[in-house]
Amino acid sequence: AQSVSQHNHHVILSEAASLELGCNYSYGGTVNLFWYVQYPGQHLQLLLKYFSGDPLVKGIKGFEAEFIKSKFSFNLRKPSVQWSDTAEYFCAVTSDSSASKIIFGSGTRLSIRP
Amino acid sequence: DSGVTQTPKHLITATGQRVTLRCSPRSGDLSVYWYQQSLDQGLQFLIQYYNGEERAKGNILERFSAQQFPDLHSELNLSSLELGDSALYFCASSVRDSSYNEQFFGPGTRLTVL
Repeated sequence: AQSVSQHNHHVILSEAASLELGCNYSYGGTVNLFWYVQYPGQHLQLLLKYFSGDPLVKGIKGFEAEFIKSKFSFNLRKPSVQWSDTAEYFCAVTSDSSASKIIFGSGTRLSIRP
Repeated sequence: DSGVTQTPKHLITATGQRVTLRCSPRSGDLSVYWYQQSLDQGLQFLIQYYNGEERAKGNILERFSAQQFPDLHSELNLSSLELGDSALYFCASSVRDSSYNEQFFGPGTRLTVL
């Protein structure tokens, strides 16, 4: 069965620090990968997505993610975080064989110290 | 603002009761998805409708049901409510029924069962 693992439950960083949030999925077929962000009290918004092509994907607000097929990973990165990046981040996957079903990871809460 | 609306914003009810949550998708979107977000279970996919028909089922309890109407709005019915049903219920919509489609999330309905 498909699953998505986010190993970091809570990450605390200072402003200007670099960020990397881990995401691993388990599925052998073709997958589509997403990172969503949920700011405090708000709904989920798409940060970036990968379907095919260049495995380094750039999203909004300076975020990027790299798809490494051999490692079944899709880690989210940002070179320099800001206090406004405080939010919960969800990795998600869909597969071509299960078009409708999107599987979310458990989320990583990011707290940025001003 | 994602264009997806959900009502009510908050709902407080008692165990054993029945409630209905409503979702209006973005204009033009045919797919509607329902999710439950709780502290212990994370973000769980419940059910998806596409153009009025049920398309996929996730971890939805038998006490819960949903439907999508001809005008494409959707309702999630929760009955025989238990304390553990207290959660944030999100609706999302997408243009079509495809693994490539980004989902746009509504602001959620916070359900508290006392």
